[in-house]
Amino acid sequence: ETGVTQTPRHLVMGMTNKKSLKCEQHLGHNAMYWYKQSAKKPLELMFVYSLEERVENNSVPSRFSPECPNSSHLFLHLHTLQPEDSALYLCASSRGGTMNTEAFFGQGTRLTVV
Amino acid sequence: DQQVKQNSPSLSVQEGRISILNCDYTNSMFDYFLWYKKYPAEGPTFLISISSIKDKNEDGRFTVFLNKSAKHLSLHIVPSQPGDSAVYFCAASENNDMRFGAGTRLTVKP
Repeated sequence: ETGVTQTPRHLVMGMTNKKSLKCEQHLGHNAMYWYKQSAKKPLELMFVYSLEERVENNSVPSRFSPECPNSSHLFLHLHTLQPEDSALYLCASSRGGTMNTEAFFGQGTRLTVV
Repeated sequence: DQQVKQNSPSLSVQEGRISILNCDYTNSMFDYFLWYKKYPAEGPTFLISISSIKDKNEDGRFTVFLNKSAKHLSLHIVPSQPGDSAVYFCAASENNDMRFGAGTRLTVKP
């Protein structure tokens, strides 16, 4: 138990569906992240939120839309995805600020696009 | 643009021996380095870290070495145990922008 919870754990969606991934942290952290892990590839940083403001978007396609309503919650809204978007999506949080600290990860959502 | 590289996708070690996992990075602005361990169906869990002002950090059986001039870090596990079998990710960070390598699968044989 890392203090970061992701739901759902598994998701299968069609290319025309709209779905959302949810992440919640109870660690009092100020920064939250979405990462994508595809098979045999490095974890790819998708979005970074610090104090609920998006500070980085690593050229992610617009079919992925993040939302951070408060410092404890992070969403990833999905629409018109492609089969190549099938991957493990990991949420993480950290204390943020200027001091580097470790990030704590959720267990991930295994997404399959059919 | 892969800024953090783990060139060995897998490593097999006998129980009791030393495991050495390697990582290289290209961005000289990285100032904080971490190792994570990942079991199947779980998210990565933090293992050990090192700041760029140090060249070694030790925590029990785990030691991380940093060679800034070579842009190289390594994780030593000694003695290795079967429970250490997992995928190990190297990460490098600048202002909380954390980049990961592709991981090395460590298998420790009894």
